[in-house]
Amino acid sequence: EPEVTQTPSHQVTQMGQEVILRCVPISNHLYFYWYRQILGQKVEFLVSFYNNEISEKSEIFDDQFSVERPDGSNFTLKIRSTKLEDSAMYFCASSDRQTIPFFGSGTQLSVL
Amino acid sequence: ILNVEQSPQSLHVQEGDSTNFTCSFPSSNFYALHWYRWETAKSPEALFVMTLNGDEKKKGRISATLNTKEGYSYLYIKGSQPEDSATYLCAFGGNAGNMLTFGGGTRLMVKP
Repeated sequence: EPEVTQTPSHQVTQMGQEVILRCVPISNHLYFYWYRQILGQKVEFLVSFYNNEISEKSEIFDDQFSVERPDGSNFTLKIRSTKLEDSAMYFCASSDRQTIPFFGSGTQLSVL
Repeated sequence: ILNVEQSPQSLHVQEGDSTNFTCSFPSSNFYALHWYRWETAKSPEALFVMTLNGDEKKKGRISATLNTKEGYSYLYIKGSQPEDSATYLCAFGGNAGNMLTFGGGTRLMVKP
């Protein structure tokens, strides 16, 4: 069964460092998303991406965040200068017009 | 800000018990209600997407109903098994490409 793959599963970084979280969506999907869950809180939407551009973003997705689909298979989330409050589980998801979004297993980001 | 709430937050049942939990969501501007099953360290697994008032969906021992006029959905599990232990998430959303707003989840633990 096709699946969304995320790497790494766990990333530890120092405050102020840049991190890139990587995702390989399901190959025939057109819509791509990032969500995150801070420990003890609800899963929150960050951004959706379609046709090589951002289609929707939340207030969380400020100038420190960016997304890219560099090569037609990967979908990345970059955080330029990490803060302690960026520590969370980050989920990538993908869908097509008919399907419910399929999620990856997440990258646990720990900012020290 | 959309408010999606799930109750209870956690639930302990014995193997063989049937159980149900609730997701409440805004009744205005409704498009779809999604249910996911999420085991720790795994990807959230899509269970159902429901769009029409009165929808009922079933997958094995799990079923769901939808009332868009009053803004709630119920998830039922018949004859719970230990492998049903997981967090069940509902999400209000989103036509294709649009964001999902998640509830806080119901954590189900089934004791053998």
